Amino acid sequence: AQSVTQLGSHVSVSEGALVLLRCNYSSSVPPYLFWYVQYPNQGLQLLLKYTSAATLVKGINDFEAEFKKSETSFHLTKPSAHMSDAAEYFCAVSSSGGYNKLIFGAGTRLAVHP
Amino acid sequence: SQTIHQWPATLVQPVGSPLSLECTVEGTSNPNLYWYRQAAGRGLQLLFYSVGIGQISSEVPQNLSASRPQDRQFILSSKKLLLSDSGFYLCAWTGSHYGYTFGSGTRLTVV
Repeated sequence: AQSVTQLGSHVSVSEGALVLLRCNYSSSVPPYLFWYVQYPNQGLQLLLKYTSAATLVKGINDFEAEFKKSETSFHLTKPSAHMSDAAEYFCAVSSSGGYNKLIFGAGTRLAVHP
Repeated sequence: SQTIHQWPATLVQPVGSPLSLECTVEGTSNPNLYWYRQAAGRGLQLLFYSVGIGQISSEVPQNLSASRPQDRQFILSSKKLLLSDSGFYLCAWTGSHYGYTFGSGTRLTVV
């Protein structure tokens, strides 16, 4: 069975500060990992995905994540937070290339303060 | 290009009334289709998924059902809504790419 744990349901940073959202996964097979962002009352938008290629994945809006197998982690980072980054972020795991069920973490709400 | 449509955007229904939410995908064929629910302050819970017409898999026993009458149409239904059915419902599809593409969601409030 697969699962995802997102550490910290709420994260608050200042504008211009580093953003770090933590995600740990559990999977008995090589995982595919994803980060999604959700703005209020909207659907989910894909930020980036790891599909067994490069372990450092770059996504949209300067977000990136690093797959660390030894730590079973896929943390999301951004060097400098913008006010527009305030949203809810979801980490998700799938056991194959998007055709299988996507299992989500509980989400982390990011607040950005001026 | 592929697009996914979900409607209605918002819905307020009394307890005991029926429900029908529709999701359609354009620009692709034989997609895998999914219904998720997001309760207030909680993550996303997979409700149903479908790998083909008439093929429905249920993840969580509940007051809801799903149907796939056409290749690119996925419907979420209930005969009698409960207060606990309130939430944000998201439809999604996967095709030959990695990751899901989500619809814009339906906010359901049962009163």
